[in-house]
Amino acid sequence: EVQLLASGGGLVQPGGSLRLSCAASGFIISTYDMHWVRQAPGKGLEWISSLAKSDSGSGKYYSDSMKGRLTISRDTAKNTLFLQMTSLRVEDTALYSCLSTGGDYDHWGQGTLVTVSS
Amino acid sequence: QGVLTQPPSLSASPGASASLTCTLRSGIDVGTFRIYWYQQKPGSPPQYLLRYLSDSNRHHGSGVPGRFSGSKDASANAGILLISGVQSEDEADYYCMTWHNGGLVFGGGTKVTVL
Repeated sequence: EVQLLASGGGLVQPGGSLRLSCAASGFIISTYDMHWVRQAPGKGLEWISSLAKSDSGSGKYYSDSMKGRLTISRDTAKNTLFLQMTSLRVEDTALYSCLSTGGDYDHWGQGTLVTVSS
Repeated sequence: QGVLTQPPSLSASPGASASLTCTLRSGIDVGTFRIYWYQQKPGSPPQYLLRYLSDSNRHHGSGVPGRFSGSKDASANAGILLISGVQSEDEADYYCMTWHNGGLVFGGGTKVTVL
């Protein structure tokens, strides 16, 4: 069964950092384009970062809204995608989800809630 | 104006066909974009339905019923999700997505109500 399980969210103070994880099963993440998106309460879906598949060069992409505060990476041995977020702001409060595209097992995982508040 | 525009709502009767549109912003040619479609029900993450670039380059999600299909309307500059023979379980929010200018972009979603 294809699964993407995000974790690492929680309550953090403004200016703090979090590292989100997205553990994949049922497919190999390095053969897919992998993405992080978020949805703030009452708002639409917002893309924040992508990591291209290995045979496309593993390019990394970041949204302008969070550029400079994000680092996307993957651990192929653990088949896990990561998102390091720094200098978090109140407006970064959202449900963060990972998804895979470009193969036979495109999938959107359960999200992890990030709350930025003092 | 966003890159992808979806009508906020659509109603359909059971057994009828429902055509959901995802219109690209003027100046962006739908012909060159792969359009992804997702279905989201309350309390669950979006579920991948299909992606469509052309009739020869498309993909149907595993386990997704055959009544869901994708296409494009070049004259309207839009991607289309067709639900043939709508069922009550198809009541959900539907989102389109594509890759544009180095990132994913999403439509605002269409809420499908089955009357």
